[in-house]
Amino acid sequence: DAKTTQPNSMESNEEEPVHLPCNHSTISGTDYIHWYRQLPSQGPEYVIHGLTSNVNNRMASLAIAEDRKSSTLILHRATLRDAAVYYCILAYNNNDMRFGAGTRLTVKP
Amino acid sequence: NAGVTQTPKFQVLKTGQSMTLQCAQDMNHEYMSWYRQDPGMGLRLIHYSVGAGITDQGEVPNGYNVSRSTTEDFPLRLLSAAPSQTSVYFCASSSDRGGTGELFFGEGSRLTVL
Repeated sequence: DAKTTQPNSMESNEEEPVHLPCNHSTISGTDYIHWYRQLPSQGPEYVIHGLTSNVNNRMASLAIAEDRKSSTLILHRATLRDAAVYYCILAYNNNDMRFGAGTRLTVKP
Repeated sequence: NAGVTQTPKFQVLKTGQSMTLQCAQDMNHEYMSWYRQDPGMGLRLIHYSVGAGITDQGEVPNGYNVSRSTTEDFPLRLLSAAPSQTSVYFCASSSDRGGTGELFFGEGSRLTVL
């Protein structure tokens, strides 16, 4: 199974950019890279996903390494509402999406 | 917009009791799945379905049964509850089978087994 490795926790200052890394060295050619976040006492919320090219949406940007063995979620200006656990997930076998422990992001005012 | 609806939100069971967690989505999504989340942990996939009549196992399927008789509903059954099944359960759905699309999650069902 393709697995992901993320730091347990990260801190950021409000209104500064945040780069959340994810390693996935055993990724296969057809695995999509997904990012979700989970606020306290809520279900996970979709952030962004991609396959090979960098992706942008209103929430964040996803930078994917050329060899696809790592990716980085970029929050351009962190706000206090961005404090959450961020999960990097590979869509294993394209149907089986397994969450790891994620990165707990703390945003300081 | 209802999205993904889970019932009940809270449930307390005694060891050995059975129950069904309900999940319904109104987005005509083919893909649906169940996860459990233990305190301080990430989500673990229990079962998933790529369409009516089709289900498959995830990481932690033991102790749980699922069926998918309609596109809208994907119930999760615990036949004989155990304390180890105390957890928060999340149902999710997606319009895409191939992991290519966004997963929409319900608000969760918190289950305690005494």
